[in-house]
Amino acid sequence: QLQLQESGPGLVKPSETLSLSCSVSGGSVTSSHHYWVWIRQPPGKGLAWIGNVYFNGGVFDNPSFNSRVSISVDTSKNQFSLKLRSVTATDTAIYYCARGVRSYNGHVFLDQWGPGALVIVSS
Amino acid sequence: EIVLTQSPGTLSLSPGEGATLSCRASQNFGDTYLAWYQQKPGQSPKLLIHGASSRATGIPDRFSGSGSGTDFTLTISRLEPEDFAVYYCQQYGSSPYTFGQGTKLEIK
Repeated sequence: QLQLQESGPGLVKPSETLSLSCSVSGGSVTSSHHYWVWIRQPPGKGLAWIGNVYFNGGVFDNPSFNSRVSISVDTSKNQFSLKLRSVTATDTAIYYCARGVRSYNGHVFLDQWGPGALVIVSS
Repeated sequence: EIVLTQSPGTLSLSPGEGATLSCRASQNFGDTYLAWYQQKPGQSPKLLIHGASSRATGIPDRFSGSGSGTDFTLTISRLEPEDFAVYYCQQYGSSPYTFGQGTKLEIK
């Protein structure tokens, strides 16, 4: 049974960099059938796709985040990571990591999610 | 970016009744790359439907999805108490992938 677990600081100061990791157990980040995805949800609001990484390091990040996003994968640790630069209060959210199922033509839906990590941006 | 609009915003029903949730896209995103998720308070979303109509593993057959193009529907027949939650649709046909704003299904 695949499990994902987010970890990282729960409080980040404005203008600094938010850093989170997602540990994967019961499966491998080297799977060619999956992408590894970050999503966020501001308190009481909806979901937003931040970006995703493939085992070979290929990355997509949502243009809505204005090039502030870096996503990477560490196959030796079986985990993947998110960095979001120059954060403001509007980046306060629950951050989820998830596994994306890759269809034959590359389209991705999310079949397993981590429990989420609340990150508050405040001085 | 494709905008998904879900309706209604809130749906008040009783256990045993049927529910119909709608998801409309601002433009066609190709084929049936539409998923539905269920989120309960304090929990992460759970995949219900992918490919517009394929149930995920372990999802009861009272959940069904339909639609194509820009109009999609999630139908829940015979509501159980555990079905009252927020439901999100998500398109994965056009990057960046986007979610609807959610429909809250509450007990009447």
